[in-house]
Amino acid sequence: GAGVSQTPSNKVTEKGKYVELRCDPISGHTALYWYRQSLGQGPEFLIYFQGTGAADDSGLPNDRFFAVRPEGSVSTLKIQRTERGDSAVYLCASSLLVSGVGNEQFFGPGTRLTVL
Amino acid sequence: AQSVSQHNHHVILSEAASLELGCNYSYGGTVNLFWYVQYPGQHLQLLLKYFSGDPLVKGIKGFEAEFIKSKFSFNLRKPSVQWSDTAEYFCAVNAPYSSASKIIFGSGTRLSIRP
Repeated sequence: GAGVSQTPSNKVTEKGKYVELRCDPISGHTALYWYRQSLGQGPEFLIYFQGTGAADDSGLPNDRFFAVRPEGSVSTLKIQRTERGDSAVYLCASSLLVSGVGNEQFFGPGTRLTVL
Repeated sequence: AQSVSQHNHHVILSEAASLELGCNYSYGGTVNLFWYVQYPGQHLQLLLKYFSGDPLVKGIKGFEAEFIKSKFSFNLRKPSVQWSDTAEYFCAVNAPYSSASKIIFGSGTRLSIRP
């Protein structure tokens, strides 16, 4: 596609439930990133994939959060036992270059997660 | 660890006024610097970027930013703003030889333009 796409655009769930958020990166981009943006804040890094493997998951807040990218393209962010504090916009980005100077990331529209 | 500070939380200007949004980062090594913009109801878009070379960077829609290494700053400027510039602006830094994956964002500056 022309850009990074994310589904759903909005997700409302109840405390304790499990949710999955999907990201479809720009075709040909090997690197994929997840960020979380809380109200009034800038995006906060969660995890980064190079191909199928999670190269850096240091931003995941706790073990309730997990992400996969089994075929090196689409990625799914999974949140178990959701809490009200998980409510935020979850952003996905992709880039052509893995590292070094010139790594420009392209962002998707985000998924707004609301935990009641 | 890298961090980014944006000095102004909310800036209100009249059309045709000049704009300068402050951004300072903390990291001693090589950095990539970015300004992203988020228009109401839209996703994050890259406004401009600095990777290397000329420290005065020109972006889209008449925006520019100057990288001053000695001040660890990357301020965004526009000589004459328009109502359509109303948006949230985020300064961001990436340390390509340290943690290439992460872009560290500032908390953002909301820009409101009075018509």
